[in-house]
Amino acid sequence: DQQVKQNSPSLSVQEGRISILNCDYTNSMFDYFLWYKKYPAEGPTFLISISSIKDKNEDGRFTVFLNKSAKHLSLHIVPSQPGDSAVYFCAAKGGSEKLVFGKGTKLTVNP
Amino acid sequence: KAGVTQTPRYLIKTRGQQVTLSCSPISGHRSVSWYQQTPGQGLQFLFEYFSETQRNKGNFPGRFSGRQFSNSRSEMNVSTLELGDSALYLCASRPGQGVMGLVGLGQETQYFGPGTRLLVL
Repeated sequence: DQQVKQNSPSLSVQEGRISILNCDYTNSMFDYFLWYKKYPAEGPTFLISISSIKDKNEDGRFTVFLNKSAKHLSLHIVPSQPGDSAVYFCAAKGGSEKLVFGKGTKLTVNP
Repeated sequence: KAGVTQTPRYLIKTRGQQVTLSCSPISGHRSVSWYQQTPGQGLQFLFEYFSETQRNKGNFPGRFSGRQFSNSRSEMNVSTLELGDSALYLCASRPGQGVMGLVGLGQETQYFGPGTRLLVL
């Protein structure tokens, strides 16, 4: 049972445009959500997080939106840069339970 | 602060052997989690340790085990290696409980090491 789903395995955008990465979850007990970026042969790097008491969190070019009723969150990157090309993982957690990851979306930003 | 470190970075073993991987968390972090990453499977949770106690465990066979020491460093062991164990093994640390046992959002964010790439032949 996949509790965190990233339905798009890949996404390609032009430099300077907006990248929107989506994530859906099924467990209503999840109350903390994170996005990680991963380059090949490296560990994931924490990008941004949001708790269930908020619906938006912004950090520079990165904004995460949470829609609890739809059990959906998204990561917006504006403007997109070639260095943003990586695999992005969405993760969710509820209480003291383990962090559950999606399978990732590979973002390619074309110059 | 230094980040999470993992040793070794690369390892080649043969079927039937056993392997031990090591992880040193960020200074002050008391929780260490281990993940397995294989192509197309994302990050699969193995286990989490906090203050030398296993707190959570994923759906992996008993061949996968771990432990945490009093200095929060952690080791993961895989016995009787199989070809399917070839993967990138990632360790992540987080502060865990804060002052007076309170858990705030800052205690929940995990920070990953570079991983150990294990190849089983």
